[in-house]
Amino acid sequence: ETGVTQTPRHLVMGMTNKKSLKCEQHLGHNAMYWYKQSAKKPLELMFVYSLEERVENNSVPSRFSPECPNSSHLFLHLHTLQPEDSALYLCASSQEGAFSPLHFGNGTRLTVT
Amino acid sequence: QQQVKQSPQSLIVQKGGISIINCAYENTAFDYFPWYQQFPGKGPALLIAIRPDVSEKKEGRFTISFNKSAKQFSLHIMDSQPGDSATYFCAATRSNDYKLSFGAGTTVTVRA
Repeated sequence: ETGVTQTPRHLVMGMTNKKSLKCEQHLGHNAMYWYKQSAKKPLELMFVYSLEERVENNSVPSRFSPECPNSSHLFLHLHTLQPEDSALYLCASSQEGAFSPLHFGNGTRLTVT
Repeated sequence: QQQVKQSPQSLIVQKGGISIINCAYENTAFDYFPWYQQFPGKGPALLIAIRPDVSEKKEGRFTISFNKSAKQFSLHIMDSQPGDSATYFCAATRSNDYKLSFGAGTTVTVRA
């Protein structure tokens, strides 16, 4: 397996559920990201981890909780979400350093009912 | 506040034609301008990038033009092919920053 893998690909959850999104990168990168993609809007950076430490938290509501147990894995824990949280959630990784490109996974399509 | 404005939202071009997507930015500290290409069901992937020390960069049929004084940059897709049909995002950042500011995307449809 190469690249950035996200599971599940699709998730439907009720507003009272708790679920987690998983991301795994096989590129040897040391920075990982969560982005939210909504239709016709710019990608929104949610969280950044560098060397397993959170370095950016972009004013994301506390119902989203990230976890980075090691440099290859990233989780996004979800609880008591709202319908407006329905979106495509993208994980990405990069190497530390200037001009290092982001490598994205194929995303998890989340629907909150 | 949206730091990178992208237009048009969508465009349709005939096979062999030229697709042009424009972006404008406000932050003069930005010094790295990548373009990402996203196919349906896939994550975005880096297509081409430019730094402000050059006014143009070409890779195959894809060219970035950069106008530092106008704070604008654009992507030209020459000889557009049906396989180029995708959504294209411009972005901008400072080289020592984790945060990429993305445009809202342009959906390009190339008709055979």
